[in-house]
Amino acid sequence: AQTVTQSQPEMSVQEAETVTLSCTYDTSESDYYLFWYKQPPSRQMILVIRQEAYKQQNATENRFSVNFQKAAKSFSLKISDSQLGDAAMYFCAYRSAGTYKYIFGTGTRLKVLA
Amino acid sequence: EAGVAQSPRYKIIEKRQSVAFWCNPISGHATLYWYQQILGQGPKLLIQFQNNGVVDDSQLPKDRFSAERLKGVDSTLKIQPAKLEDSAVYLCASSLEGQQISTDTQYFGPGTRLTVL
Repeated sequence: AQTVTQSQPEMSVQEAETVTLSCTYDTSESDYYLFWYKQPPSRQMILVIRQEAYKQQNATENRFSVNFQKAAKSFSLKISDSQLGDAAMYFCAYRSAGTYKYIFGTGTRLKVLA
Repeated sequence: EAGVAQSPRYKIIEKRQSVAFWCNPISGHATLYWYQQILGQGPKLLIQFQNNGVVDDSQLPKDRFSAERLKGVDSTLKIQPAKLEDSAVYLCASSLEGQQISTDTQYFGPGTRLTVL
């Protein structure tokens, strides 16, 4: 069975600085997708960024980028120029290529300090 | 476009009572998910529908939880009887499940916060 591990329960970053959130996963599959979701306090969870396992190039979305290391089964999220609105729970998630079933990590709470 | 709707937003019940949650996915979305998110944890999939058929319910406690998705649109999740450990946020999500699997996105509703006393 696939598992997703986020070893950082909480992280803090100064506004305008850069922070990296870690995620590792375990799978025997070769084709899958990885995601980072953001869950702001009392607000809906939204997709931040996705990565297809077959792509070597790391995904980027504006200030958000990932470092995908397939052999190490590592998928970290880098947030550049952190803003107060980035404060939220961040969840790493895995999905098999053949199904629409998602497996989530336990989350990392990101605090942004003014 | 309208997002995923859920109701109620909050519910407080006594243990052994019954409760039902409702979800209306984004129009045209074939896949619907129910997740349980216990405080401090990530969402755990309870059941996944594709249209009105069940794709995965392996983590649904079937002795007390049930779910249905009539006509492949709205869905209800029921707990009967509730236990203290059922206190959690119940999230509904939907996705288009079009042919572009790589770009398919899961959209979440605001969730229902259940407190069992």
